[in-house]
Amino acid sequence: KQEVTQIPAALSVPEGENLVLNCSFTDSAIYNLQWFRQDPGKGLTSLLLIQSSQREQTSGRLNASLDKSSGRSTLYIAASQPGDSATYLCATGGGNKLTFGTGTQLKVEL
Amino acid sequence: NAGVTQTPKFQVLKTGQSMTLQCAQDMNHNSMYWYRQDPGMGLRLIYYSASEGTTDKGEVPNGYNVSRLNKREFSLRLESAAPSQTSVYFCASSGTGGAKTQYFGPGTRLLVL
Repeated sequence: KQEVTQIPAALSVPEGENLVLNCSFTDSAIYNLQWFRQDPGKGLTSLLLIQSSQREQTSGRLNASLDKSSGRSTLYIAASQPGDSATYLCATGGGNKLTFGTGTQLKVEL
Repeated sequence: NAGVTQTPKFQVLKTGQSMTLQCAQDMNHNSMYWYRQDPGMGLRLIYYSASEGTTDKGEVPNGYNVSRLNKREFSLRLESAAPSQTSVYFCASSGTGGAKTQYFGPGTRLLVL
């Protein structure tokens, strides 16, 4: 059974700092890995999707990498802003079934 | 283009009552999903539908039933609600295949007393 772990559970950083969120998974037989953002009381918004054959994806200040052999993915956020404050979840799996981590709650302070 | 919509947004039930959570998507997606989100446990898949007319169990299907009414709509029914079903329920949809982004609705917050 796939298990997805995100460490740390919470992170507080000053505005402008570059930061890395970590995601690890136990089964490397995955189709893709996705990163989502969730604001309090809201649904999930997809940020980046990395196909299993890819190593990384970039969107604006976000860069996600995937290392299947080690069962790890990272989400890099450059020049963090208060608007980046949210919970970030990674999810991976095969076919129609995604397994989610419990998320990293990020707070970017002024 | 509303994406994925869910009704109701919030519901309080008494133990043993039944209710149906509604979900609709306007993106012409084949696949639809129901998840529950509980503190410290992340999102867990309840049921999914790979295409119109098909449904399959996810990780936590007990106590729930689903109906894929048509390509747009996928409903989740609680026949006899229990306090353990207090949760936030999310519906999602995606295109065909396993490498497609899932798009989520805003969620339904359910409290079972």
